[in-house]
Amino acid sequence: GAVVSQHPSWVICKSGTSVKIECRSLDFQATTMFWYRQFPKQSLMLMATSNEGSKATYEQGVEKDKFLINHASLTLSTLTVTSAHPEDSSFYICSAPRASALSYEQYFGPGTRLTVT
Amino acid sequence: GDSVTQMEGPVTLSEEAFLTINCTYTATGYPSLFWYVQYPGEGLQLLLKATKADDKGSNKGFEATYRKETTSFHLEKGSVQVSDSAVYFCALGLNNAGNMLTFGGGTRLMVKP
Repeated sequence: GAVVSQHPSWVICKSGTSVKIECRSLDFQATTMFWYRQFPKQSLMLMATSNEGSKATYEQGVEKDKFLINHASLTLSTLTVTSAHPEDSSFYICSAPRASALSYEQYFGPGTRLTVT
Repeated sequence: GDSVTQMEGPVTLSEEAFLTINCTYTATGYPSLFWYVQYPGEGLQLLLKATKADDKGSNKGFEATYRKETTSFHLEKGSVQVSDSAVYFCALGLNNAGNMLTFGGGTRLMVKP
């Protein structure tokens, strides 16, 4: 079964509004989570690293004031798209590393499709 | 910067055919290499990985060998099944945990009975 969930799975919002996307690790704790963005028929692009208890680390070119990340607990990270515009329409995916027998394995959420009208 | 290039799809094969999906990369340092698979409606799942040159990752009949000399990590399977139909992503990461991955564009595989 899924070990990382995202909510909502899809959302439609009007231009200028804000949208919050949740990423939860279901049966493990994650001090770090990662947010990716995927445009249609394109690759996943890393947006930021979410750190529990501290500020997120954003990749070059990603506006931190527009994509607010809060990692409030060891099982929840949220991405808020503020003042959304149609160009923010995309598929947003989170991931979290989980310890396995020998090392860590990255688990991905199913993604959230955002459409801004 | 780091980058990953993989063959564009879709790739359409008949059941039991041989599969190759090419993947090449550019990176500084010595990255770990991954193949992830995404089934319809599901999140990406790790298929296999290799953490150093000449390592071979394998899982569910799929294999890929980390070739430093050709900067490649091609995915192969000897006999595909309909259930292998999915999108396959090649990726590189700075460590073997898969943190902060750089992905290729993804290749959709369709296997027909």
